[in-house]
This record gives sequence, C-alpha cells and structure tokens, in this order.
Amino acid sequence: GIQVEQSPPDLILQEGANSTLRCNFSDSVNNLQWFHQNPWGQLINLFYIPSGTKQNGRLSATTVATERYSLLYISSSQTTDSGVYFCAVRNSGNTPLVFGKGTRLSVIA
Amino acid sequence: DAGVIQSPRHEVTEMGQEVTLRCKPISGHNSLFWYRQTMMRGLELLIYFNNNVPIDDSGMPEDRFSAKMPNASFSTLKIQPSEPRDSAVYFCASSYGTGGEYFGPGTRLTVT
Repeated sequence: GIQVEQSPPDLILQEGANSTLRCNFSDSVNNLQWFHQNPWGQLINLFYIPSGTKQNGRLSATTVATERYSLLYISSSQTTDSGVYFCAVRNSGNTPLVFGKGTRLSVIA
Repeated sequence: DAGVIQSPRHEVTEMGQEVTLRCKPISGHNSLFWYRQTMMRGLELLIYFNNNVPIDDSGMPEDRFSAKMPNASFSTLKIQPSEPRDSAVYFCASSYGTGGEYFGPGTRLTVT
C-alpha cells in the first residue's frame, strides 16, 4: 500500500518563529489532508489539498502531486500551535486515509 | 453543521463489561470510519463503511469487536467483553466521495 513519511518527527520552536513540515508519499493520490491534533486530543482538519496551494491565516500548504510531497508552513508560531501534525493521503476511490506518523511540534514562549 | 458527533466522550468500565460507542456522521456523508489511537500503536483504522455497508473490517483486532451502521446517520462500535488493553481513544470520521475526512471529538475509553 501507499507509504507516508513525515519529517521532522519532532520540532521545538520559539514563539514567533516560522516552520515547514514535510510529507512524502509513495504513490499518486486523490486526497491529501493535513490535521492538527491538539494537546486535548482533538483532530482538527487543517487542509484538504490533493494538489496546489492553500492558505488559512498563518498556515498554508502546498502539494506537488507530480513529485509526491506536500509542505505545511506555519508562520509566526504561537503556543496554541503545539500538538501533533498529521499528513494523510488516499490514492483510490473513497478508501480510507493512510496516515503518517506525525510531527510533534512544541512552541515555547 | 454540527460535525461528527460521538458519545460518550469518556467511558470508564470494568474488565468484562460490554462497551458501546456511538457515532453520528455529518449529514450527507456516505463513508464512515472507526479509528483507534494509542500511544504505542498510533492511529489505526478499525473498520469503514460506504453507504452503510461494511467494506473492510480487517483492522478490527478481535471477535470481541463489532460495528454496525443501521442507517446513514448512525453507527456503533461494540466491545464485548472489554479488556484493559482496549483502553484507547476511539475516533469516528466521515466523508463524502473522495472528499476530505472529518473527525469526531473521540471517545476516551478506560477499561480497569
């Protein structure tokens, strides 16, 4: 099946810093999503982005489907950005998402 | 829309008891997914339904686990009998077609 690799596995940032999280996948996809799992355990849908670029406030994401990677940018990070960021992909029909292992982000004041 | 609704949010039960987790997907969504998350194993897909029909239950760990979707707006995940190793957060998610999956808030299950 399709493989999803995220990097880095862990990231510590000073509040106000910018960061880039990467997601590589091994096959073509018809769906790619970025999720944020906050410290309370909720999985928040950040972006649905099988291709192209989207922005939502301080967050933006770019997926280059032909090169099988996606990037999540966090600018001017805040302590509330802490948590685990998951990339998940689907490569056919409406089958379930395949999740990466996540990037654990800690933003310190 | 209220999003995916799960109940209960927290469940504490004794080993051997039956546990039933409930999920209401987003209205209009035709796929429903049950996941389990633990520190050791991360996020695992247990089973998913398309148009109320179970498609793949290969992630269900044992016969003690069963899931049903009697209609488009309701699904249950049942564990009978429960064991301490079933302690985890159980998530339900739904989607429409090839669109994005949306997760519920999860049920935190503790089996003592």
